[in-house]
Amino acid sequence: DTEVTQTPKHLVMGMTNKKSLKCEQHMGHRAMYWYKQKAKKPPELMFVYSYEKLSINESVPSRFSPECPNSSLLNLHLHALQPEDSALYLCASSQAGQGQNIQYFGAGTRLSVL
Amino acid sequence: GDSVTQMEGPVTLSEEAFLTINCTYTATGYPSLFWYVQYPGEGLQLLLKATKADDKGSNKGFEATYRKETTSFHLEKGSVQVSDSAVYFCASDTGRRALTFGSGTRLQVQP
Repeated sequence: DTEVTQTPKHLVMGMTNKKSLKCEQHMGHRAMYWYKQKAKKPPELMFVYSYEKLSINESVPSRFSPECPNSSLLNLHLHALQPEDSALYLCASSQAGQGQNIQYFGAGTRLSVL
Repeated sequence: GDSVTQMEGPVTLSEEAFLTINCTYTATGYPSLFWYVQYPGEGLQLLLKATKADDKGSNKGFEATYRKETTSFHLEKGSVQVSDSAVYFCASDTGRRALTFGSGTRLQVQP
């Protein structure tokens, strides 16, 4: 099983809303990632968690708040977003050991900010 | 810094044609290399990988060989199908637990 499950698949929110994206995997992976992908562009790394601790934050604005409550779950809390934050948000997971960076991606959440 | 360069698309081919999508990389050391495929409206799927020089990754008729001397990892398929229409991303593992992606190449296969 190489499945990474993301919910919801689609999300429309206003600039004053608070919402959360959810990601789940049951492959025993201890590294999890959030990426942002704009149309016709490659994914851009946002955050990396390793053993449930935040290890990389690519200077993402504070209106995006990641959380890793356990080794299978990864959340991305959204608050006061801007229209330019509309994008496909992808979650990925991998083993955490050195040289074990085969990342498996979810189908993504397509976010529209009005 | 590390980077991955892919050929510009879109690439438009007829069914059963031969496919090559070029990919070159720059990196310190010897990164692992990947090809991911993204079908319309979906996330990325790992297509194939190679972890060291001269390794050949293969899957679903696609192949790519890790060439250290030319720092390349070109994707090939002998006979494409309409169902292969997608965006293909070449990526390298920077070793800092982040993938560096190329810009992506859109493939359109016509019946």
